[in-house]
Amino acid sequence: DAKTTQPTSMDCAEGRAANLPCNHSTISGNEYVYWYRQIHSQGPQYIIHGLKNNETNEMASLIITEDRKSSTLILPHATLRDTAVYYCIVRARLLGDKIIFGKGTRLHILP
Amino acid sequence: EAGVAQSPRYKIIEKRQSVAFWCNPISGHATLYWYQQILGQGPKLLIQFQNNGVVDDSQLPKDRFSAERLKGVDSTLKIQPAKLEDSAVYLCASNPLSGRQLDEQFFGPGTRLTVL
Repeated sequence: DAKTTQPTSMDCAEGRAANLPCNHSTISGNEYVYWYRQIHSQGPQYIIHGLKNNETNEMASLIITEDRKSSTLILPHATLRDTAVYYCIVRARLLGDKIIFGKGTRLHILP
Repeated sequence: EAGVAQSPRYKIIEKRQSVAFWCNPISGHATLYWYQQILGQGPKLLIQFQNNGVVDDSQLPKDRFSAERLKGVDSTLKIQPAKLEDSAVYLCASNPLSGRQLDEQFFGPGTRLTVL
């Protein structure tokens, strides 16, 4: 079973920041938080990952709470192409440790 | 860099028939995964290969599903015989054993299977 809890769906206006929450209260000390997204009719795409510090790349920012029990993925300026299902995953960064996908959050970007 | 290639993209069969899917991972990626994604759900791992060896096949229904990666590159996933509940998208993914891309699994576009 997935170790994360995410809202089923969210809406965000185009041009605004999209903030996607994720709860992972049972996360272990060696487990990282990963985010993937899946655009309709495509395979999932890696976005970002982090352990305890906030992370930023060209796609998004990841904010992890100090107790590591929750995190937020931030898309700073959402566009219509960001409409997708977003998956929050926790896993150890070990060779062979598998990704367990939950149902994710369906993000709708509204024009 | 070419991505993960899968074929066919779509397949329609009747129950009890056999079907096979093909995957060509990104060049140099030692680890290959097959996932099953039922409509409205996240992908579920079926089998993981490292080179041509199986790392994890705990979720593979071995009475009807089989997979191989004989030369450590391409892989095929077979279903024989198919059931209605096998209707899903079958995704292939790969990643290298080391380097900056270790944290990313690169997914192909998937094969959409419909069993009638």
